[in-house]
Amino acid sequence: QVQLQQWGAGLLKPSETLSLTCAVFGGSFSGFYWSWIRQPPGKGLEWIGELNHSGNTNYNPSLKSRVTMSLDTSKNQLSLNLSSVTAADSAVYFCARGHIFDFLSGSYYLDFWGQGTLVTVSS
Amino acid sequence: DVVMTQSPLSLPVTPGESASISCRSSESLLQSNGYNYLDWYLQKPGQSPHLLIYMGSNRASGVPDRFSGSGSGTDFTLKISRVEAEDVGVYYCMQALQTPRTFGQGTKLEIK
Repeated sequence: QVQLQQWGAGLLKPSETLSLTCAVFGGSFSGFYWSWIRQPPGKGLEWIGELNHSGNTNYNPSLKSRVTMSLDTSKNQLSLNLSSVTAADSAVYFCARGHIFDFLSGSYYLDFWGQGTLVTVSS
Repeated sequence: DVVMTQSPLSLPVTPGESASISCRSSESLLQSNGYNYLDWYLQKPGQSPHLLIYMGSNRASGVPDRFSGSGSGTDFTLKISRVEAEDVGVYYCMQALQTPRTFGQGTKLEIK
């Protein structure tokens, strides 16, 4: 059974960089997309971006200038960095596996999710 | 971006009755291969979201057959027959057609 386990700093000051890691157990990176999604307190889901096992990335244009995603295939881990955070970046952050059903377009559904990491930005 | 609009946003349901949630997209999610690039997720209280339905109408592994997805193009419906107490939570639709992936606002199902 695939499991995604996340961790990272939960309290940041404005202008700092958010760094989260997601470890994948019970499966490989190859053949899947890997997404990060966030959820501000009491609100809905926002897609942050994705990367595949080759390291190709797509980011939400609303965050693109501040986001970096990467893979460490030797450790079966993916990471998210979000720079220059503000209070608006306070949210629960999820990693999720994208199961590809259309390899031409790269479309997928999110079949496994991490437990979520609450990140609060406050001075 | 593809805009996803759900209704209703709040859905009180009596156990044993059925419930329906609508999701509309600003662009057609029907591809030339005949599949609709629309997924449904449920986020139970205090939990991560999990997959219910993918490609418009396919139930994910382990999802009870009380859950069904239908629709095509820009109009989709998630139906829950014989609602149970364990079905409470927030239901989201998500388009998988293009990036950025976008979600509906969420529909909160509660038990009367």
